[in-house]
Amino acid sequence: QVQLVESGGGLVKPGGSLRLSCAASGFTFSDYCMAWIRQTPGKGLEWISYISGSTKYYADSVKARFTISRDNAKNLLYLQMDSLRAEDTAVYYCARSLKPATFTWVDPWGHGALVTVSS
Amino acid sequence: EIVLTQSPATLSLSPGERATLSCRASQSVSNFLAWYQQKPGQAPRLLIYDASYRATGIPARFSGSGSGTEFTLTITSLEFEDFAVYYCQHRSNWPYTFGQGTKLEIK
Repeated sequence: QVQLVESGGGLVKPGGSLRLSCAASGFTFSDYCMAWIRQTPGKGLEWISYISGSTKYYADSVKARFTISRDNAKNLLYLQMDSLRAEDTAVYYCARSLKPATFTWVDPWGHGALVTVSS
Repeated sequence: EIVLTQSPATLSLSPGERATLSCRASQSVSNFLAWYQQKPGQAPRLLIYDASYRATGIPARFSGSGSGTEFTLTITSLEFEDFAVYYCQHRSNWPYTFGQGTKLEIK
């Protein structure tokens, strides 16, 4: 079955960096667009990035600090997070586009990775 | 950025009752609206997409309606597993946004 498993979360100091990975299985990874979405108790759910072919989209809140990428040979999605701030503290989910070849809705989602930015 | 406003914030109902959840967009999103269900400790799950299409495996008691700026998620005859938080989300233009959620709790 389709499975997405995030890893790489943890505690990091403000200004630091972290790279999240999302391991995909159960489908042809290269055929699907992928996304990163985060959730905080205060701001709720927030789309932060998605990758559709060679096109990448970023929320203003993370633009120039976060980078989405993928390795289709390894079935991995990445989120490189630099210059981290306290407000980046969240559970980060990776999610797959509902249909192949085009970005539409996302489902399923991974179980999430907790990132805590604190000194 | 399109703002999605969900109402009510909390809905208290009993199993077997009908639930009606609303989502209002700050500008038209056509039919580019989805509903997700989230249970404690779990990731959101897609219920409805393109305003009215049920995702695979979603029971027929869930239905979506609306277009433009006003949308409704209806759950007929609530079952215990339906008590959760529900979010609407648009993909009309970037950035995609979510509503703040409606918590459906047992009365």
